[in-house]
Amino acid sequence: QKEVEQDPGPLSVPEGAIVSLNCTYSNSAFQYFMWYRQYSRKGPELLMYTYSSGNKEDGRFTAQVDKSSKYISLFIRDSQPSDSATYLCAMSVVGAGGTSYGKLTFGQGTILTVHP
Amino acid sequence: DAGVIQSPRHEVTEMGQEVTLRCKPISGHDYLFWYRQTMMRGLELLIYFNNNVPIDDSGMPEDRFSAKMPNASFSTLKIQPSEPRDSAVYFCASSSRDRKSYTFGSGTRLTVV
Repeated sequence: QKEVEQDPGPLSVPEGAIVSLNCTYSNSAFQYFMWYRQYSRKGPELLMYTYSSGNKEDGRFTAQVDKSSKYISLFIRDSQPSDSATYLCAMSVVGAGGTSYGKLTFGQGTILTVHP
Repeated sequence: DAGVIQSPRHEVTEMGQEVTLRCKPISGHDYLFWYRQTMMRGLELLIYFNNNVPIDDSGMPEDRFSAKMPNASFSTLKIQPSEPRDSAVYFCASSSRDRKSYTFGSGTRLTVV
């Protein structure tokens, strides 16, 4: 079993829809959670990050973490064609003093297409 | 800042040849990571460095793979000899101790024929 599971999709939605992307994980030591967006033939770029359970909002994006269920989500409101990309969740353990170890463990990525 | 710079962007080589991928991290970042991305396996960490010292190379698939970081502004990933199954996109990333700064390069698309 992989440490991080993510449905690869593909997911196709109409413009303006609310998109929900999810990951589950098995390692309870994960405490730092990220979402990356990757456009075709580009490197992943950081969208959102969080340490704690609960919600974090940034514009049209909301990241949600439920540590008790080992489940994280990314919601995109009012989705746009420019949101079409692969979305990757990533996680790492956090070392003493708030620093984190170097290794990020990624999900497989979900391919999202938002059509006009 | 120009971001993380990788070269070459594309590499096509014949099986058995040596391949060297290059990376220039963001100035001031003290962590450097090499990842490999394939459709089947997704994004996998191969090795990472902290202050130019290799910390974890458990993801390096075989002895054919080696990585070096001779100074804070340059790293190489070498495959010798290359095999068709090494075909993938190889990403370099760098970060400070604050994980928010974790930044990927644009990748090197390697094809071994």
